[in-house]
Amino acid sequence: DTGVSQDPRHKITKRGQNVTFRCDPISEHNRLYWYRQTLGQGPEFLTYFQNEAQLEKSRLLSDRFSAERPKGSFSTLEIQRTEQGDSAMYLCASNVGGGADTQYFGPGTRLTVL
Amino acid sequence: QQQVKQSPQSLIVQKGGIPIINCAYENTAFDYFPWYQQFPGKGPALLIAIRPDVSEKKEGRFTISFNKSAKQFSLHIMDSQPGDSATYFCAASMGYGGSQGNLIFGKGTKLSVKP
Repeated sequence: DTGVSQDPRHKITKRGQNVTFRCDPISEHNRLYWYRQTLGQGPEFLTYFQNEAQLEKSRLLSDRFSAERPKGSFSTLEIQRTEQGDSAMYLCASNVGGGADTQYFGPGTRLTVL
Repeated sequence: QQQVKQSPQSLIVQKGGIPIINCAYENTAFDYFPWYQQFPGKGPALLIAIRPDVSEKKEGRFTISFNKSAKQFSLHIMDSQPGDSATYFCAASMGYGGSQGNLIFGKGTKLSVKP
């Protein structure tokens, strides 16, 4: 499967714990996006990478959130001191480089914070 | 402030019917309007997209109608099938405007096509 992959698919954690998600974009896709989707809502933009550079962060991305894309390949999203409000589906998408290029989404990581 | 408003929230049609989903946007700088389809447990997948310099685009059974002056666009699904039952999201971005192209999504429409 050469699509966008995300790991883990599901994560259950207790409030206050740290969690890390991984996204592997489609090979040779320069741009990588993170979105968050809560139940009954559309995905909301969190942050974006052009190769290894993080170029944009949404106001939704509090100080407890950090994302990296070392070497411009896979990306990780870490949430520190999780809160119940962080419970959501975290989606990763990638595309070649044009702003209007199709964004290909992964299956998402569903986070539940107890 | 919701930049892309989508309606209806849910829609039930009979097989063969033509469901219509509507979206309205506020930011006139948006220049790329895709529709995504999402099945339970899956990430969204691009269905069809349009630029504001055309009023209509068809791909198979899916048609986007675009009204630039009204800042509205809609998705029509011809000859709908039970397999089309999914959640549909409209989105907008400044994809051609030199920005990073992050998508602004509507809240989604859950479509159910009855056999």
